[in-house]
Amino acid sequence: AQKVTQAQTEISVVEKEDVTLDCVYETRDTTYYLFWYKQPPSGELVFLIRRNSFDEQNEISGRYSWNFQKSTSSFNFTITASQVVDSAVYFCALSGVGAGSYQLTFGKGTKLSVIP
Amino acid sequence: GAGVSQTPSNKVTEKGKYVELRCDPISGHTALYWYRQSLGQGPEFLIYFQGTGAADDSGLPNDRFFAVRPEGSVSTLKIQRTERGDSAVYLCASSLKIKETQYFGPGTRLLVL
Repeated sequence: AQKVTQAQTEISVVEKEDVTLDCVYETRDTTYYLFWYKQPPSGELVFLIRRNSFDEQNEISGRYSWNFQKSTSSFNFTITASQVVDSAVYFCALSGVGAGSYQLTFGKGTKLSVIP
Repeated sequence: GAGVSQTPSNKVTEKGKYVELRCDPISGHTALYWYRQSLGQGPEFLIYFQGTGAADDSGLPNDRFFAVRPEGSVSTLKIQRTERGDSAVYLCASSLKIKETQYFGPGTRLLVL
């Protein structure tokens, strides 16, 4: 069975602060994908990133960066110099690559509030 | 290009009624997925299609739920004898192929009174 844990239910930061959202996962698969999605107040899930389990390189995209550590089964997401527009619920998710495991297993999400 | 669209955006119905929720995937996407999101929770998988066939329906909660995709494009999620516990946001996603990134629609908010 697959499981994703996002221990932080809610986080509040002041604009321009850096913030890290934690994600820990469990899977018996040796190959899998990890994802982050953003859900703004409008409700639509917006894809942010997908990582293959074989690729442990950290990734940076503008103010966003992701730290994948297989040894600790973690895939953390950092926003640098946060902005009010970053306020949303962020979901970490996991999927397999074999038949019957293509669906996404989501964590419960972390609600980020960026205060001006 | 156009993203995943879902209709209606909101649906209010009475307990015991039948409802249909529609999903129009991104053009050319062969895989289609349905999820359900309850308040304060992450989306939970219901069913996915590869082409016209349901490849995995293990997430459907019971036999009141059924989904079809007759021509391999638009999909309809059907709920019979609705119950108050069915109230949730129903999300549809599509991907170019199985194992590719899933892109989500805006969801249908279902309220069963």
